[in-house]
Amino acid sequence: DTGVSQDPRHKITKRGQNVTFRCDPISEHNRLYWYRQTLGQGPEFLTYFQNEAQLEKSRLLSDRFSAERPKGSFSTLEIQRTEQGDSAMYLCASSLGLGHSSYNEQFFGPGTRLTVL
Amino acid sequence: DAKTTQPNSMESNEEEPVHLPCNHSTISGTDYIHWYRQLPSQGPEYVIHGLTSNVNNRMASLAIAEDRKSSTLILHRATLRDAAVYYCILRDVLGLRGAGSYQLTFGKGTKLSVIP
Repeated sequence: DTGVSQDPRHKITKRGQNVTFRCDPISEHNRLYWYRQTLGQGPEFLTYFQNEAQLEKSRLLSDRFSAERPKGSFSTLEIQRTEQGDSAMYLCASSLGLGHSSYNEQFFGPGTRLTVL
Repeated sequence: DAKTTQPNSMESNEEEPVHLPCNHSTISGTDYIHWYRQLPSQGPEYVIHGLTSNVNNRMASLAIAEDRKSSTLILHRATLRDAAVYYCILRDVLGLRGAGSYQLTFGKGTKLSVIP
């Protein structure tokens, strides 16, 4: 257990439905990241928060995806009008960022596996 | 971004040392070399990182070539629990490529199998 939790662990939905995932980072970590991982591939970066500010979004994050981190604590990732291509593992990670530190170790949660039927 | 090249898979016998190679011929002076691993059905976990000098920690050792164009992750005694996908990742510490330099860019990694 890394201290990063994600909920739910599994989600099955029908195409066109909206889904929301939650990530609870390690409490003192100011940085939070979302990644997506499909079978046989490494994780791909989606978005990054420093405290409550969303500072970076990948072009993988289409307008159907939205992420929030109110009050700089937990984060949610919502996917609207899900498509079969959204089926993947969604991973959350957090880190304690101290400026441009080389030691930006990221702690990953167990992921939420999404299946879109 | 500078790219890394790793073998798709490797095998090791239990309790023997494992050397996992990574080539990064286009590495820049501000790129740190990070290694993460991902056990089955889990999120990735940090293993080790370094810039120029060899590094040791409780999990592994990192040997970095003098020209920094390659590195090797060394597991001194492989156990069954070390069976995982190992990712070699370069990260631009100074953020010279923009504000989004804090994320990790994963490749496909090396799948390590440990034979009992």
